[in-house]
Amino acid sequence: EDQVTQSPEALRLQEGESSSLNCSYTVSGLRGLFWYRQDPGKGPEFLFTLYSAGEEKEKERLKATLTKKESFLHITAPKPEDSATYLCAVPLTTDSWGKLQFGAGTQVVVTP
Amino acid sequence: DGGITQSPKYLFRKEGQNVTLSCEQNLNHDAMYWYRQDPGQGLRLIYYSQIVNDFQKGDIAEGYSVSREKKESFPLTVTSAQKNPTAFYLCATKSQPWGGNEQFFGPGTRLTVL
Repeated sequence: EDQVTQSPEALRLQEGESSSLNCSYTVSGLRGLFWYRQDPGKGPEFLFTLYSAGEEKEKERLKATLTKKESFLHITAPKPEDSATYLCAVPLTTDSWGKLQFGAGTQVVVTP
Repeated sequence: DGGITQSPKYLFRKEGQNVTLSCEQNLNHDAMYWYRQDPGQGLRLIYYSQIVNDFQKGDIAEGYSVSREKKESFPLTVTSAQKNPTAFYLCATKSQPWGGNEQFFGPGTRLTVL
């Protein structure tokens, strides 16, 4: 069964204190891994797609990496505006119609 | 302005009522999806559609219904059969149903049962 697990559930950082979020998955034949940012009361905002182990993508203070079993979202020198819930998702192995399995998310709070 | 719109932003329902949530897109995307989000849980798929006049049940379709009469529109009806409808509802689109490209989300509708 395809599963996506995110850790930690919540993360509290001081401004400038770098950290990493983890997304581990159990799917065979990974066809992509997606990272989203979600602000309270809003829809998820697409951040990155990773397709193969060793791939990295960057956007401002965020950097996403992918291995064969997990993905990391590194937040470098975070600012309060980076506070959000970060979601990862993978396409289901048995599905060809774009259905995704989402993790429960990591809630990040960055304090000044 | 291109994108995905959902309305209303907030919706209140009395016990026994059916309510319809709107989702419209002008991205010319083929596939559309409805998710439900509850605190502490990942997004769960309710229904999805890859083409006009065709849709499939997701993991939690009981108590919900949809239609896809136009490419741009994918309304979701929450019926009185849905026992616990209070949640945040998200509509998403994808350029093509197959393949590994990403889904894009609308702003969401928060439904509360009074």
